[in-house]
Amino acid sequence: GENVEQHPSTLSVQEGDSAVIKCTYSDSASNYFPWYKQELGKRPQLIIDIRSNVGEKKDQRIAVTLNKTAKHFSLHITETQPEDSAVYFCAASTGSGAGSYQLTFGKGTKLSVIP
Amino acid sequence: DGGITQSPKYLFRKEGQNVTLSCEQNLNHDAMYWYRQDPGQGLRLIYYSQIVNDFQKGDIAEGYSVSREKKESFPLTVTSAQKNPTAFYLCASSLGLGPQHFGDGTRLSIL
Repeated sequence: GENVEQHPSTLSVQEGDSAVIKCTYSDSASNYFPWYKQELGKRPQLIIDIRSNVGEKKDQRIAVTLNKTAKHFSLHITETQPEDSAVYFCAASTGSGAGSYQLTFGKGTKLSVIP
Repeated sequence: DGGITQSPKYLFRKEGQNVTLSCEQNLNHDAMYWYRQDPGQGLRLIYYSQIVNDFQKGDIAEGYSVSREKKESFPLTVTSAQKNPTAFYLCASSLGLGPQHFGDGTRLSIL
C-alpha cells in the first residue's frame, strides 16, 4: 500500500519568513495530494490540494508543488504569521474510484511561528 | 450553518463495553469517514462510506463497526474487541477525493 513520509516533524520560523514542509510517497499511482492544517485542540481543515496533472498551485500565501518523477510534494508558506502555527498534514491517494476515498496521511509537522 | 456534528466530545469506556460515537452532517455530502488520531501520528482511516447503505473497511477496521442508514448519519461503534481504544476520533465528509470537512472530534478513554 501507499506510504507517506513527512519532514520535518517540527519547524520553527521567525514571523515573516517562509516555511517549507516536504512529503514523499511510494505509490506511483497516487495522483491526489491534499494538505490539512490542525490548530491546537481544533478540527483539521483542508487548506490546499493538487492533482498530478498540475505541477504547482497557489492560494494567497500558501502554495503546493509536486514532482511526480521524484514522488514528492511540498507545502510552501510565505510571509508566515503567528496564526499559521499549527500541525500540518500531507496526504496522498489514487484520486479515482474507490481509491479516491482512501487517503494515506503523513505523521504531521508542527509549525511554530515566532513573533 | 452547514457542518459536521460529533457527539459526545468526551467518552469513557468500561472493560467489555461497546460504545457508539455519533456523527451527523448537513452538508449533503455523499461520502463520510471515520479516522483515528493518536499522539504524534497522522490520521488513520477506520471506515468510509461512499453512499447510503454502503461502507468499506479502512486500514484499521478491526474492533470497530459502522452503519450508514441515512445520508446525514454515520455512527461508529467501538466494540470490546478493540483492545486499545484510547484515541481521538474524527468524523469527516466529502463529495469525493478524500475528506473535505471534519467534525470537532470525540476523545475516548478507558475507565
